Amino acid sequence: DGGITQSPKYLFRKEGQNVTLSCEQNLNHDAMYWYRQDPGQGLRLIYYSQIVNDFQKGDIAEGYSVSREKKESFPLTVTSAQKNPTAFYLCASSVQGNYGYTFGSGTRLTVV
Amino acid sequence: AQSVTQPDIHITVSEGASLELRCNYSYGATPYLFWYVQSPGQGLQLLLKYFSGDTLVQGIKGFEAEFKRSQSSFNLRKPSVHWSDAAEYFCAVAGGGADGLTFGKGTHLIIQP
Repeated sequence: DGGITQSPKYLFRKEGQNVTLSCEQNLNHDAMYWYRQDPGQGLRLIYYSQIVNDFQKGDIAEGYSVSREKKESFPLTVTSAQKNPTAFYLCASSVQGNYGYTFGSGTRLTVV
Repeated sequence: AQSVTQPDIHITVSEGASLELRCNYSYGATPYLFWYVQSPGQGLQLLLKYFSGDTLVQGIKGFEAEFKRSQSSFNLRKPSVHWSDAAEYFCAVAGGGADGLTFGKGTHLIIQP
């Protein structure tokens, strides 16, 4: 079955380290998105990509970086510049122009 | 820029009772509107969406929502809730561009026996 896979489900990082969250989809979707979720804050858009080798900053891109070398993959790197990285991170994908997002099951990142 | 307000942070409903979750949006043109549901520690699942046409939209799991342009609202309803409906519910709006959905802060639904 097609879907979107995020790994790992739980991730622990020491302060000052970069960490990369994986997002892979086999839905043949063109668009992919990264959201950050904090309690009581809803979802906030970090980065999005409409096509391979192209991506745009969302509302809270500072301290994050992405790449889109393949249609299926959209990894997110949380850098040491992100001051408050502990959160639940959600990846989503969609067909171009169709907002019926498919979400992954999320990665919970904790800085220790 | 578009925005979404979900006025109720928590709602408690008795099992078998009806449910209405409120959503108000701000957008200059006709918006695309969505309701998603999230179980603890999981991703979001699309319940229903409104793009155009009939303002009463049917979704999965017995949910429906009504788009009211005059009130800038897109409230979610269910005639009889089940204990399995306990979850976090998010309303979202898209402006038709390529920059993704804007989500409300969510409403936590509690079902009491």
